[in-house]
Amino acid sequence: ETGVTQTPRHLVMGMTNKKSLKCEQHLGHNAMYWYKQSAKKPLELMFVYSLEERVENNSVPSRFSPECPNSSHLFLHLHTLQPEDSALYLCASSQDPGLAGFSSTDTQYFGPGTRLTVL
Amino acid sequence: LAKTTQPISMDSYEGQEVNITCSHNNIATNDYITWYQQFPSQGPRFIIQGYKTKVTNEVASLFIPADRKSSTLSLPRVSLSDTAVYYCLVGFSGGYNKLIFGAGTRLAVHP
Repeated sequence: ETGVTQTPRHLVMGMTNKKSLKCEQHLGHNAMYWYKQSAKKPLELMFVYSLEERVENNSVPSRFSPECPNSSHLFLHLHTLQPEDSALYLCASSQDPGLAGFSSTDTQYFGPGTRLTVL
Repeated sequence: LAKTTQPISMDSYEGQEVNITCSHNNIATNDYITWYQQFPSQGPRFIIQGYKTKVTNEVASLFIPADRKSSTLSLPRVSLSDTAVYYCLVGFSGGYNKLIFGAGTRLAVHP
C-alpha cells in the first residue's frame, strides 16, 4: 500500500480541453511532487511543494499549473496541451523536506499515476 | 552535469542472483543512493537506500565501493515477479532540481 492515490487513472483529452489531475497522500508527509514519465524516458521532475509552498519548478510550460491547497492534496491543472504531453503523470510524497529542502535520504512514495493521452 | 548511468536491460532466470550497477561519478559527499522498482502502469516503489559499504534488507542488498562512484543492487534468487524496471536515484546536492532518476534497467526474469 503506497498511501498515495491519484485520479483519474486514465484521461483522454483534446488540445483545447481543460482538465485537472488529483493526488492525495494519506501518509502525513510534508512534501509532494509531480513527475512526468514518457515512453522510454527517465522520470522528469516537474514540480515540488514543501509544506504547501512551491519550492521547485523545473522550467515546465505554463500549460501545466500545479496547486497545493494543503499538505495532503496536490492538483495539476491542464489546458491547451499538445500531443507530446501524452505521458504517465506520477505524484509522490515524502516525509521530511528538511530545513534546506530535499534531503537525499528522503524516500518518495509514488501513486499509481494518471495515463494521459492528448489527441 | 551530474547524471546516473545504468544498463538499459538485463535478462535472468528464476532462482538466479541479479546484480544491477549504477554509475554516479559526480556524487556529492552527503548524497545517498536509493533504488526504486517500477511495474507497468504503477508508480516506482522504494527498494533500498545506502550511503557506503553494504546495506541489506529483506528484498535486496546494496553494495557501494569506497569511492562511491557506483553502486550495485543485488537481488538474490529472483522470481518472475521481479520482472520490472529498476531505477537508481542519487540525491545530488543543490536542491530539488538535482533529483535525477537514471533511465532505468529493464529486468526480465524467465522461467
